[in-house]
Amino acid sequence: NAGVTQTPKFRILKIGQSMTLQCTQDMNHNYMYWYRQDPGMGLKLIYYSVGAGITDKGEVPNGYNVSRSTTEDFPLRLELAAPSQTSVYFCASTGTSGSYEQYFGPGTRLTVT
Amino acid sequence: QKEVEQDPGPLSVPEGAIVSLNCTYSNSAFQYFMWYRQYSRKGPELLMYTYSSGNKEDGRFTAQVDKSSKYISLFIRDSQPSDSATYLCAMRNQAGTALIFGKGTTLSVSS
Repeated sequence: NAGVTQTPKFRILKIGQSMTLQCTQDMNHNYMYWYRQDPGMGLKLIYYSVGAGITDKGEVPNGYNVSRSTTEDFPLRLELAAPSQTSVYFCASTGTSGSYEQYFGPGTRLTVT
Repeated sequence: QKEVEQDPGPLSVPEGAIVSLNCTYSNSAFQYFMWYRQYSRKGPELLMYTYSSGNKEDGRFTAQVDKSSKYISLFIRDSQPSDSATYLCAMRNQAGTALIFGKGTTLSVSS
């Protein structure tokens, strides 16, 4: 099992550009999450999904969009990138709502200049 | 008041020291308490979890939860340089889907 994979590992965007961060898991998990991590600020939830076709906002959803057409994939879309979106983005998944363990991907480091 | 408070450190200790990492929280509905470890430039990994109050031990690591004080701790005995990482506390309530994370404490253990 590869677990949770994320692409790309690094990306530099210009202000106003758009991009999609990819996340795939091969554990047949229903629950998937997107977090951003800024230095010294912990993990903040952007969006999450409880299954294919179902998504919901987290703590910091502005400027982002998600979709979940399959169990495996949960892409995060950035529209009109801004410097405030410079961060490390982590995707995570877990099998059930009662699970306390989330499995994280290796992260995508994004810089917006 | 933030839901979960964690001192970001950094914390530097010599090899063999006992380390205490702590979080406080405000939501009395939290029932599940976790500690994640994150090495530099990696994703977090679950280290320990505790349900409700009490202690849990796993090798050199002990997790404690005091719900009356809304306070959780992670103790590391005989700390090793390989323990150098950022430790994030996380918690959620019974019905919650998402975890609430602390800011993380960066630990450095020198040999």
